[in-house]
Amino acid sequence: NAGVTQTPKFRVLKTGQSMTLLCAQDMNHEYMYWYRQDPGMGLRLIHYSVGEGTTAKGEVPDGYNVSRLKKQNFLLGLESAAPSQTSVYFCASSYHLYEQYFGPGTRLTVT
Amino acid sequence: RKEVEQDPGPFNVPEGATVAFNCTYSNSASQSFFWYRQDCRKEPKLLMSVYSSGNEDGRFTAQLNRASQYISLLIRDSKLSDSATYLCVVNSGGATNKLIFGTGTLLAVQP
Repeated sequence: NAGVTQTPKFRVLKTGQSMTLLCAQDMNHEYMYWYRQDPGMGLRLIHYSVGEGTTAKGEVPDGYNVSRLKKQNFLLGLESAAPSQTSVYFCASSYHLYEQYFGPGTRLTVT
Repeated sequence: RKEVEQDPGPFNVPEGATVAFNCTYSNSASQSFFWYRQDCRKEPKLLMSVYSSGNEDGRFTAQLNRASQYISLLIRDSKLSDSATYLCVVNSGGATNKLIFGTGTLLAVQP
């Protein structure tokens, strides 16, 4: 099992560009999450999904959109990137209230 | 007040030392508590769940004090490989398994 995978691993964007981060899990988990991690801020929840076709806002959703068209995939979109979105993005999945499994992260720099 | 607070450290300890981390949380409705470990430039991974009665896993002991709303992690006989950031994590108390992460405590075990 690959667990949770994320693509791409690294990306540099210019302000105003758009991109999509892909998260895939092969554990048949219902719940999936997108976090960002910044120095001194800890992990903050951007959006999450409790099942295929459902999404909900987390703590810091502005500037991001998500989609969960298939149970195993959770996409995070940046429509118009800003320097404030420079961060490390982690995807995670879980089976309801049990531990969350994290992907390896995507390092995004917006110049 | 942050929802989950930790001393950021760093804690610099010699091999073989015993070290303890504390964490406080603000939401009295929280039901699930965890310690995650995060190595430099890697994803967080579950170290152990924290139960009301306290629990031990080898050299690691976790305790929960609901009345005072704090969680502790004790590491005995520290190894070089224990060097990492330790994240205190608390469930938001809702039905959607949102986790609130502390900013982490950095441990550096010295030879």
